[in-house]
Amino acid sequence: KAGVTQTPRYLIKTRGQQVTLSCSPISGHRSVSWYQQTPGQGLQFLFEYFSETQRNKGNFPGRFSGRQFSNSRSEMNVSTLELGDSALYLCASKETGSEKLFFGSGTQLSVL
Amino acid sequence: TQLLEQSPQFLSIQEGENLTVYCNSSSVFSSLQWYRQEPGEGPVLLVTVVTGGEVKKLKRLTFQFGDARKDSSLHITAAQPGDTGLYLCAGATSGTYKYIFGTGTRLKVLA
Repeated sequence: KAGVTQTPRYLIKTRGQQVTLSCSPISGHRSVSWYQQTPGQGLQFLFEYFSETQRNKGNFPGRFSGRQFSNSRSEMNVSTLELGDSALYLCASKETGSEKLFFGSGTQLSVL
Repeated sequence: TQLLEQSPQFLSIQEGENLTVYCNSSSVFSSLQWYRQEPGEGPVLLVTVVTGGEVKKLKRLTFQFGDARKDSSLHITAAQPGDTGLYLCAGATSGTYKYIFGTGTRLKVLA
């Protein structure tokens, strides 16, 4: 089976712009979650989706949003980018009934 | 707010040495996981522990879940350069659909 695929791998944006990141989970995995990783804060939970429904959300401002499609692929969007949004954004998928998270390689976002 | 504190934050040791990484919280978790992350990649799951007091071994790595399910440790015997990476613990609470990640331990094993 193919692993979790995240695109793009690298992204450079300027302040005020918006960005959309994509995640394709492992085939058959219906749960997709997103995490932000920075050197100072570590890995922080953004949100989790299952069958197109957001089941939980982390403590991030409303500029961070996401969605999941019927094929379980997920996107996250960040609007009005700030310098502090520079981070590695990781997507993870999970099989129903399992606690194992499988992570993608991430999207490295740099905001200038 | 649930927090997972890991110690030490950084560790640089010689090949062949033993080490222990700790993951502590004041919260109870239904399960706890350990991941290793290498530069430019996402974390890779090493083990999941679910029962208080549980001990699991993965070759030279030994994982333990505290009796109260609030803490865990990772012990590496005879460390090798291939063990170099960022080690992360992550706690899960049933029904919340999210994982709380620890602050991380960056390990470097010198040949």
